[in-house]
Amino acid sequence: SQQGEEDPQALSIQEGENATMNCSYKTSINNLQWYRQNSGRGLVHLILIRSNEREKHSGRLRVTLDTSKKSSSLLITASRAADTASYFCATGGRGSTLGRLYFGRGTQLTVWP
Amino acid sequence: SQTIHQWPATLVQPVGSPLSLECTVEGTSNPNLYWYRQAAGRGLQLLFYSVGIGQISSEVPQNLSASRPQDRQFILSSKKLLLSDSGFYLCAWCESSYNLPLHFGNGTRLTVT
Repeated sequence: SQQGEEDPQALSIQEGENATMNCSYKTSINNLQWYRQNSGRGLVHLILIRSNEREKHSGRLRVTLDTSKKSSSLLITASRAADTASYFCATGGRGSTLGRLYFGRGTQLTVWP
Repeated sequence: SQTIHQWPATLVQPVGSPLSLECTVEGTSNPNLYWYRQAAGRGLQLLFYSVGIGQISSEVPQNLSASRPQDRQFILSSKKLLLSDSGFYLCAWCESSYNLPLHFGNGTRLTVT
């Protein structure tokens, strides 16, 4: 399967704490992206990291990529109740699957006030 | 600015009935277009992918088909719905390059009864 797999499936923390979600994948990728989905809505793109990058920041988000381990992590610092959502990693294919994005099952993050 | 419209928001259809979901994109030309399905509590499954008018790639064999009659219009269809076709259907687009961030519509919740 070309889909990424997020870990953990669910994460529950208090406001102000950091949230870390992990993603593992199996095939060679062009890039890896993280998305957020509020319940019953479409997905919103958060951050993209290319296969030749190791770390990227955007506001309170920090993403790392280790292509040797085929894994990525998303860190949300100083979480807020509004960060409550499902978070998905998506891998961009190479070769015959160039142009396609494959999503994992997501991590459900709950941030308690 | 670019916008994506997907309708209807919810749909209840009996088994054996036909299906037509429509997605249109405004403010861009020659986008890549995607149909995803999300089962309850699951990740997103890529159904169809299109790089241009009349060009459709199918990811998995299924009871559904897709068409792209115009540059910014993407239609998901079925001649006879199955119970297993229930789910949350999401249309998405990106610039006509490879693996750039996807922009999602708000989805259609389909319940087949």
